[in-house]
Amino acid sequence: EAGVTQFPSHSVIEKGQTVTLRCDPISGHDNLYWYRRVMGKEIKFLLHFVKESKQDESGMPNNRFLAERTGGTYSTLKVQPAELEDSGVYFCASSQDQPGIDEQFFGPGTRLTVL
Amino acid sequence: KQEVTQIPAALSVPEGENLVLNCSFTDSAIYNLQWFRQDPGKGLTSLLLIQSSQREQTSGRLNASLDKSSGRSTLYIAASQPGDSATYLCVLDTDKLIFGTGTRLQVFP
Repeated sequence: EAGVTQFPSHSVIEKGQTVTLRCDPISGHDNLYWYRRVMGKEIKFLLHFVKESKQDESGMPNNRFLAERTGGTYSTLKVQPAELEDSGVYFCASSQDQPGIDEQFFGPGTRLTVL
Repeated sequence: KQEVTQIPAALSVPEGENLVLNCSFTDSAIYNLQWFRQDPGKGLTSLLLIQSSQREQTSGRLNASLDKSSGRSTLYIAASQPGDSATYLCVLDTDKLIFGTGTRLQVFP
């Protein structure tokens, strides 16, 4: 069974441009999470989907970030317009929605560089 | 291959106790080590980040140490509270994330 996949693996854009990151969770996982690691700093939670609904978006830094999960399958995270401080690695994770089964499976991340 | 083991796997204590959670890893070539807590049905909450060059970090009742030479990190929780009940994960940050096996903590009143 395939794990969590993310695309692209790397993205280099200029300040002011738009970038869309994609995450494909493990099939059947209703929970989908986005995290990011800004250069040299800790990994921080961004938001959590349960199916297509945003359960918690308290970690989203500002309104330049838009996450969607249409149909409750894959998710996209759009940054528009990108700023220099958005550079970092964006991780996606998924988990089942069953009591007592909490393990989150992480994707390899997308490394975003804003020049 | 890097392996990350957390001991104990589960812990149940009365509130007020001081706790030590252990994380051991096999390869000292890491960038950072981060401790998270995981509450059921929620995203991971970052607790402490220890960079490779550091030996410990403190935040409130939490203190985390890192000894790369021995491949160990400990998370110390002082004066535990029922609200501390959660699963605690140590995560190694190399060129990818490597998650520990987790410690499920229950603090009862």
